[in-house]
Amino acid sequence: QKEVEQDPGPLSVPEGAIVSLNCTYSNSAFQYFMWYRQYSRKGPELLMYTYSSGNKEDGRFTAQVDKSSKYISLFIRDSQPSDSATYLCAMSWYGAQKLVFGQGTRLTINP
Amino acid sequence: GAVVSQHPSRVICKSGTSVKIECRSLDFQATTMFWYRQFPKQSLMLMATSNEGSKATYEQGVEKDKFLINHASLTLSTLTVTSAHPEDSSFYICSASHGTGGNTEAFFGQGTRLTVV
Repeated sequence: QKEVEQDPGPLSVPEGAIVSLNCTYSNSAFQYFMWYRQYSRKGPELLMYTYSSGNKEDGRFTAQVDKSSKYISLFIRDSQPSDSATYLCAMSWYGAQKLVFGQGTRLTINP
Repeated sequence: GAVVSQHPSRVICKSGTSVKIECRSLDFQATTMFWYRQFPKQSLMLMATSNEGSKATYEQGVEKDKFLINHASLTLSTLTVTSAHPEDSSFYICSASHGTGGNTEAFFGQGTRLTVV
């Protein structure tokens, strides 16, 4: 069993839809949770960074962490074609140290 | 956000040769740098962690004599793939953080696609 599970998709939705991406994990020691966006042949770009359980909002993006269920989510409101990318969840027990990544979900927003 | 530059973005080399990849933090001092490897349609896998001025810590299964990491300054780390073989072909990505505390973030370079022929 992988430490972090993420549905690779692909996920295709129409422009303007609300997108829900999620990951589950098995290591209860994880305390730091991140979402990265990766365009084709590029390095990951940090979108959201949260510590422990709770919600965090930044513009059209909302990250949720439920440590009791070992489940994290990323919501994208009013999705745009420019949001089309692969979204990676990542987590660690201590900040940027030893990040463990999910497989990534390939998302396409159709105009 | 902080900028991390990785060079080259793409390299093709012959089997048996060595390749050096550079990772630079452009606008902050990177106390710690990380090197990842990503195979097609797979996740990033941490290869090693390097702190400025000290030896890198390699993850289990990563050959330290094959993947030489140098972190000589607070803005530059290099990964040298020695005696490269076709199975080393992959996407190599570095990341850098400006601290070791729990609230420090890691910023990624653009990645280097290595093809060994």
